[in-house]
Amino acid sequence: QKEVEQDPGPLSVPEGAIVSLNCTYSNSAFQYFMWYRQYSRKGPELLMYTYSSGNKEDGRFTAQVDKSSKYISLFIRDSQPSDSATYLCAMMKETSGSRLTFGEGTQLTVNP
Amino acid sequence: GAVVSQHPSWVICKSGTSVKIECRSLDFQATTMFWYRQFPKQSLMLMATSNEGSKATYEQGVEKDKFLINHASLTLSTLTVTSAHPEDSSFYICSARDYGELFFGEGSRLTVL
Repeated sequence: QKEVEQDPGPLSVPEGAIVSLNCTYSNSAFQYFMWYRQYSRKGPELLMYTYSSGNKEDGRFTAQVDKSSKYISLFIRDSQPSDSATYLCAMMKETSGSRLTFGEGTQLTVNP
Repeated sequence: GAVVSQHPSWVICKSGTSVKIECRSLDFQATTMFWYRQFPKQSLMLMATSNEGSKATYEQGVEKDKFLINHASLTLSTLTVTSAHPEDSSFYICSARDYGELFFGEGSRLTVL
């Protein structure tokens, strides 16, 4: 069983839609949770970073962490065609020394 | 944010040859860098942790003699794929930490013919 599970999609939505992306994990040692956006043939760029349970909002993006359910989410409001990319969740343990464990990534297309 | 640069961005080589990929932190010093490999439509898999001035730490299943990592300075780590074979064709990405945040390079696409 993978430590981090993420539905690879693909996910296709119309412009302006609310997008929900999710990951589940099995290792309760994960304490730090990140969402990265990766455009085709590019390196990932950090979107959101949260520590432990709770919500965090940054512009159109909201990250949620539910440690009791081992479930994290990324919501994108008013989605734009420029949001079309692969979204990767990543997690890190307190003692991992910045070693990240990534989900498979969800491919998102926002249609104008 | 901090910038991590990789070179080359794309390389094609013949089977059996060795290829070197560079990872540079342009505006900060990084004692630790990370090398990932990403196959098409798959996630990033950590290969090794590169430590400045000491040996790299490899993840389970990664051949240290095949993937040579050198971190000779605080701004440069290199990954050399030795005796490359077609199954080594992949997207190699490095990352470096600056004040707790990880920054990723643009990636290097290796195609082995």
